[in-house]
Amino acid sequence: DTGVSQDPRHKITKRGQNVTFRCDPISEHNRLYWYRQTLGQGPEFLTYFQNEAQLEKSRLLSDRFSAERPKGSFSTLEIQRTEQGDSAMYLCASSRSLTDTQYFGPGTRLTVL
Amino acid sequence: EDQVTQSPEALRLQEGESSSLNCSYTVSGLRGLFWYRQDPGKGPEFLFTLYSAGEEKEKERLKATLTKKESFLHITAPKPEDSATYLCAVHPRSIIQGAQKLVFGQGTRLTINP
Repeated sequence: DTGVSQDPRHKITKRGQNVTFRCDPISEHNRLYWYRQTLGQGPEFLTYFQNEAQLEKSRLLSDRFSAERPKGSFSTLEIQRTEQGDSAMYLCASSRSLTDTQYFGPGTRLTVL
Repeated sequence: EDQVTQSPEALRLQEGESSSLNCSYTVSGLRGLFWYRQDPGKGPEFLFTLYSAGEEKEKERLKATLTKKESFLHITAPKPEDSATYLCAVHPRSIIQGAQKLVFGQGTRLTINP
């Protein structure tokens, strides 16, 4: 298996700009998750897809955040009008089933200036 | 509310000095408990899944155990390459269909000095 991949690995942007991240899950995994991790903390759940359906969203996911998974394959996470508080590592994970292990990608490090 | 607390926050050991990391959890029901290793600037790397009290899993110098309220990650005769942050996460049972989130602790930063 190739692992979960994320692009870009690093993104530096100015406050107020929009950014989009991409995640490619492990090929046979139909469940995909987004988490956010700030320095010194564990990852925090943002949202979850089963195939193309977004089934759960955290309170952390404000109106400026949107996620899609067209055709149930790769997923994108967009942040509009970025704020300095959005600076974090954005992690994507995938799993095969409800009780299966979630495997994480390398993450996208976002810095908002 | 589901909660995970890891202790200590940071641990510094000499090479070969065995120790244990603790993960205490409060959940309404446990679907599974996971241990991950995370190196700086990288995503978490899966280590173990434990499903029920009394279960143990081993991998090289690491052994994970589970009780009804906590899990331990025992590290035996560690080497400098074992230096990393170790994350514990629970997958709670939920009445909400499709609820999938992992709830993570803040991690233990482990440093092994040669």
